Amino acid sequence: GAGVSQSPRYKVAKRGQDVALRCDPISGHVSLFWYQQALGQGPEFLTYFQNEAQLDKSGLPSDRFFAERPEGSVSTLKIQRTQQEDSAVYLCASSLYRGSPDTQYFGPGTRLTVL
Amino acid sequence: DAKTTQPNSMESNEEEPVHLPCNHSTISGTDYIHWYRQLPSQGPEYVIHGLTSNVNNRMASLAIAEDRKSSTLILHRATLRDAAVYYCILRDYGQNFVFGPGTRLSVLP
Repeated sequence: GAGVSQSPRYKVAKRGQDVALRCDPISGHVSLFWYQQALGQGPEFLTYFQNEAQLDKSGLPSDRFFAERPEGSVSTLKIQRTQQEDSAVYLCASSLYRGSPDTQYFGPGTRLTVL
Repeated sequence: DAKTTQPNSMESNEEEPVHLPCNHSTISGTDYIHWYRQLPSQGPEYVIHGLTSNVNNRMASLAIAEDRKSSTLILHRATLRDAAVYYCILRDYGQNFVFGPGTRLSVLP
């Protein structure tokens, strides 16, 4: 079946612009996660949804970052007034549930470059 | 969060076995050991996980020390496609995955 998809794959933004990144999880997956991956580093957790509820947003670096999953499927990560330090790959992952050892399935990521 | 320590990089020859070590001396009794890998320009993908016993699947084997303070991911015959960054992660129920920098594996033809 189809895996996790993300769009766009690449995004270039001028500093100060708002961006929206989309994630289509695997159908039927309850849990959805967003990660940020800087160059040469491992992914870092941003936020977690269980269906439409955002249960953990402890990793969001500032109030410029906002995520939603209004119908419990597709999710959007929005970054307002982008800064150069926001340049990174943004990864989305989904899983059936959140409990360990549940496997997370990752999308290919969106590479954001802020000029 | 529990921490893991992995070598920054390793090299292997194609078709030879590879042993990727991971130290996790502060592991708790309910932490599962997960391995993911990330191929160039892709998101991480699941490799294997275990709790106490050694595990085998079609991709790899996971050998867990008796005291659980270390583990080893074993690729039985490395191929060029196995060149990736390998992450060893400890995760308890309901916790988030915490990725370290991982081990960059190079496979030489």
